[in-house]
Amino acid sequence: GESVGLHLPTLSVQEGDNSIINCAYSNSASDYFIWYKQESGKGPQFIIDIRSNMDKRQGQRVTVLLNKTVKHLSLQIAATQPGDSAVYFCAENIGGYSTLTFGKGTMLLVSP
Amino acid sequence: DVKVTQSSRYLVKRTGEKVFLECVQDMDHENMFWYRQDPGLGLRLIYFSYDVKMKEKGDIPEGYSVSREKKERFSLILESASTNQTSMYLCASSLSLGHLGETQYFGPGTRLLVL
Repeated sequence: GESVGLHLPTLSVQEGDNSIINCAYSNSASDYFIWYKQESGKGPQFIIDIRSNMDKRQGQRVTVLLNKTVKHLSLQIAATQPGDSAVYFCAENIGGYSTLTFGKGTMLLVSP
Repeated sequence: DVKVTQSSRYLVKRTGEKVFLECVQDMDHENMFWYRQDPGLGLRLIYFSYDVKMKEKGDIPEGYSVSREKKERFSLILESASTNQTSMYLCASSLSLGHLGETQYFGPGTRLLVL
């Protein structure tokens, strides 16, 4: 079926490699950031979040880094597995508002 | 775990039909959202609701309406479906934390084809 991955930048890695997915956000007033994973035909799934008073946050096999100076967010996935193959996108929020602004996403392809 | 469910995974409708997409969340969340997702365009907000019977337009509300009669349920209505409304529709919910940003939790999506 049609994939949300069409027209997206793609990162291809080998199983076991570390992956880094980048996101440039737009609003210097944004103070909360989320990474989502979306597998083909499914809804986005929360991975990890970070608030602007932090530079780094770690989860299980994932780390999010925030550089407010250059408005850049990255997601690092350690020991990437074939099951990590998906579209990953970031979202930003300005405190006091309920809505999120989403990036277009990056497709991660993991080869066995 | 937050659970957001959508009434249909796939729908096929004809041009001019009235279409209802239903979304239910079981976490007593205040906020609910409807998005459409198209290749190359990402997620675009159609409507959202921050309370029962309240609604706010998102970025692309034209051709859509919504209904929130109960806290757990948020419906998206296409009054007269058109082929350019063929898309993946995603519902999300979030707990209202006031001044703090918060995660939105998504349903599995409804892929709508309008012929």
